[in-house]
Amino acid sequence: NAGVTQTPKFQVLKTGQSMTLQCAQDMNHEYMSWYRQDPGMGLRLIHYSVGAGITDQGEVPNGYNVSRSTTEDFPLRLLSAAPSQTSVYFCASSYLGQGSYNSPLHFGNGTRLTVT
Amino acid sequence: QKEVEQDPGPLSVPEGAIVSLNCTYSNSAFQYFMWYRQYSRKGPELLMYTYSSGNKEDGRFTAQVDKSSKYISLFIRDSQPSDSATYLCAMSVNDMRFGAGTRLTVKP
Repeated sequence: NAGVTQTPKFQVLKTGQSMTLQCAQDMNHEYMSWYRQDPGMGLRLIHYSVGAGITDQGEVPNGYNVSRSTTEDFPLRLLSAAPSQTSVYFCASSYLGQGSYNSPLHFGNGTRLTVT
Repeated sequence: QKEVEQDPGPLSVPEGAIVSLNCTYSNSAFQYFMWYRQYSRKGPELLMYTYSSGNKEDGRFTAQVDKSSKYISLFIRDSQPSDSATYLCAMSVNDMRFGAGTRLTVKP
């Protein structure tokens, strides 16, 4: 049972480059989300989706795009990378949603991104 | 001021010690309270969740919520080296908010 799979594990980009972080889950969860984790800041929500074809912005969406064409996949696109986007990115999914009781978030193991 | 405050530590204790991890929050609307454990280079995993005020026990772990003081705690009894990790508090009403995490090391 793979759970939530993120690729790549590590990535180094130059300022201005674009890239896509991949996320796939095999638990048939409707809710998927992207967080970034920075020292002293905790996990902050970037974008989320409550089902295929539906996405919405979280707390820190600027500079990122998402789409949800299937239940399983939820890629995160960096349009023009900036050093401020250096972070660890986590994809998470759940059955009901991030605020729902007894519907915990399942996290992937993260993508460590450095922008120089 | 952050909605959720958590002392980042680091906290270092000897094996067998009782560990107390704490968070305070400002939004009185939060209803669900969770603790996630994150090992190095891994994603967070849910450890415990509670609803409203009170205590919940699961083996060596006890989660405590005091809504009147806007204060939640996680106690670890008989701590083990395998408990060494970063512990994140989280709380939600519709949106979830995470604390910054406390790094715990349990020394053999």
